[in-house]
Amino acid sequence: DTAVSQTPKYLVTQMGNDKSIKCEQNLGHDTMYWYKQDSKKFLKIMFSYNNKELIINETVPNRFSPKSPDKAHLNLHINSLELGDSAVYFCASSPSGSWGETQYFGPGTRLLVL
Amino acid sequence: AQSVTQLDSQVPVFEEAPVELRCNYSSSVSVYLFWYVQYPNQGLQLLLKYLSGSTLVKGINGFEAEFNKSQTSFHLRKPSVHISDTAEYFCAVTNFGNEKLTFGTGTRLTIIP
Repeated sequence: DTAVSQTPKYLVTQMGNDKSIKCEQNLGHDTMYWYKQDSKKFLKIMFSYNNKELIINETVPNRFSPKSPDKAHLNLHINSLELGDSAVYFCASSPSGSWGETQYFGPGTRLLVL
Repeated sequence: AQSVTQLDSQVPVFEEAPVELRCNYSSSVSVYLFWYVQYPNQGLQLLLKYLSGSTLVKGINGFEAEFNKSQTSFHLRKPSVHISDTAEYFCAVTNFGNEKLTFGTGTRLTIIP
C-alpha cells in the first residue's frame, strides 16, 4: 500500500487555468505538508497542516490555496496558473509535525504550465 | 534563522569506491540534521537523521553520517557505492521549536560503472 499518494502524477496545462493536486496519506499522521521543487531541484516548503489546521504558510502567492478536508488529505488548488508555477510539487506527512520527526514524501506531481 | 549548504552540486564516483557528500549548516540553536535521498522520478525518503546522542549515525543502504558541532557539518559517507546509489541527496536541518525543515540544494551522486 502506498503511504503517501498524489494525483495526478503529471499535469500539463495552459497559463491562466485553475488546477488541483490531491494528496492522501494512510499512515495515520496528524501533519501534512506541501513542498515545491524547482528546476534546479531546490526544495522549499509551502504549507503545513496539523489535524486540518494551517500551521506553516510560507510566502506563497494567494493563487495557491491548500485545503484539508480531514487529516488524511491535503489538496492544493492553484488559480490563474503562471509559467513560473512549473515545478514538481511534493506532498509529505509526519506523525505530529514536531521537530526531529521523519517526513514521508509522496511521489510528486510534475506540473508544466505552457 | 537556519540554513544548509551543500557545496557539491554533482559528485561522480566509480562503482565500489568510497564517497563523501558534504553538508554544512548554520543555526543559532541546537539542531536536528537529516539526509534524504531522491531516486530518479521518485519522492524523497529518509536515509538517516541526527537528533542527539552518538555523533556517528548509521542509516539505510550502508550510509552513515557524522555530526561535527565545532565544524557545523554533517557529512554523508559510504565506503563502497553501487550503481543503485545514483540519486539526488539532500541535507536538511531543523531545530528545537521549529517545525520547518530547511533543505540544502542537493548533491547529485552519479556512479560510474
